[in-house]
Amino acid sequence: QTVVTQEPSFSVSPGGTVTLTCGLSSGSVSTSYYPSWYQQTPGQAPRTLIYNTNTRSSGVPDRFSGSILGNKAALTITGAQADDESDYYCVLYMGSGISVFGGGTKLTVL
Amino acid sequence: EVQLVESGGDLVQPGGSLRLSCAVSRFTVSSNYMSWVRQAPGKGLEWVSVIYSGGNTYYADSVKGRFTISRDNSKNTLYLQMNSLRVEDTAVYYCARNWGVISGWYFDLWGRGTLVTVSS
Repeated sequence: QTVVTQEPSFSVSPGGTVTLTCGLSSGSVSTSYYPSWYQQTPGQAPRTLIYNTNTRSSGVPDRFSGSILGNKAALTITGAQADDESDYYCVLYMGSGISVFGGGTKLTVL
Repeated sequence: EVQLVESGGDLVQPGGSLRLSCAVSRFTVSSNYMSWVRQAPGKGLEWVSVIYSGGNTYYADSVKGRFTISRDNSKNTLYLQMNSLRVEDTAVYYCARNWGVISGWYFDLWGRGTLVTVSS
């Protein structure tokens, strides 16, 4: 069974830069997995940030960027702000209609 | 304004059934891929099922054989029929518009969710 891995937690200072990653328990993440990223605050529905590896969703500030770093997908936040404190989820497409979410990263800005 | 509004969540006993609905406005359900995604209390997001515009359906292994995704084109509504419910199916269920690989495979619009609690 394919497991999508994310750091359980991360912290960043206000104004700092942080890179969250999204990997596979077996194998490397490539653009063929169409990695996408979502932000969620408690009690709210997810918000789409990045899709197709590096395309920002409408209205998402350009301090959010997506890429492939080594064998993982990555979400980089440049100039972190207090309201970036959220849970972040990646999704990988496994083919045949199947999407798999990572376990999520809880980002703290302090 | 584009809206996805889920309903039908309730408290149900293990082994019971429930049907969730997702009423959509401002775009056509039948012309899009639509997914259900769930989130157990205090846990992460889990993809559940997708229905393609052409009608093909796919499911996560955890719900295969128990859940059925469908749509009513006349009502522009997405459904999730959940049978043989288990305690571990307890979650907030979100419907989401799901773009296919040509567009980059992602979810771009989300409802606010409906809570399903499976407990005796």
